[in-house]
Amino acid sequence: DTGVSQNPRHKITKRGQNVTFRCDPISEHNRLYWYRQTLGQGPEFLTYFQNEAQLEKSRLLSDRFSAERPKGSFSTLEIQRTEQGDSAMYLCASKLMGGGQETQYFGPGTRLLVL
Amino acid sequence: LAKTTQPISMDSYEGQEVNITCSHNNIATNDYITWYQQFPSQGPRFIIQGYKTKVTNEVASLFIPADRKSSTLSLPRVSLSDTAVYYCLVGGGDSGAGSYQLTFGKGTKLSVIP
Repeated sequence: DTGVSQNPRHKITKRGQNVTFRCDPISEHNRLYWYRQTLGQGPEFLTYFQNEAQLEKSRLLSDRFSAERPKGSFSTLEIQRTEQGDSAMYLCASKLMGGGQETQYFGPGTRLLVL
Repeated sequence: LAKTTQPISMDSYEGQEVNITCSHNNIATNDYITWYQQFPSQGPRFIIQGYKTKVTNEVASLFIPADRKSSTLSLPRVSLSDTAVYYCLVGGGDSGAGSYQLTFGKGTKLSVIP
C-alpha cells in the first residue's frame, strides 16, 4: 500500500509536554496538508507545503504549533507545551499539483489525547 | 471557499439507494464539487468529484444541475459498511494558483439499518 502514512496513530501525553507527529505522503506528491479534527466536526485546515516550502501557516492554531517538510518528502507537525484543548485527530493529506488530479489523499490520522 | 449546506443525518435501509443533497449557492465558476467519506477514527476518503452534469464511478454517482448551486451524491444499494459521514466540498480546480485547502462542514452522518 503506497498511501499516506502517519505515525504514531495514537499519542497520550501530559499537559505541558511537547509532541511531534510524522506524515509520509504518497511518493511524488508535491503538496502536503495538515488538518485537525475534533469530535463531531469536519477536518480544519492548518497549513500546507509545496515541496519543502510552507506556503501558508496563518491557520496554525497558535505559535505552539509548527510544521516542517525539510526535504520535500515527509513532514512533521510539532505541538509545544500541549494543552488539553489540543486533544484531537491530526490528519495529513497529499496531492499532486499539475498532474490534473484534484484529489487530496488523506492518511489515517494521529489521535492525540492530552491529560 | 463556497459554503455548503447538507443534512446533518440520514437513515436508510440496507439495499436502498441513498441520495444526499448539498447546497452551494455561492459556488464560483472554477469551483469543483467533491465528496469525501469518513469512517470513525480514519481519514476522509475521496468518493467522487465533478464540475457539471453527471459523473459516475464504481462507487457512486454525482448529479449537478445546470446552475451548479446544488449537487446530489447517489449511493446505489447501500450496505451496512456504507455507514459513515459524508462531506460535500466545493473549491478551486488545479489551476496552479491558491492553496486548495479543503473546507469541511459537519457532513452528513449516514446510518444504514439492516
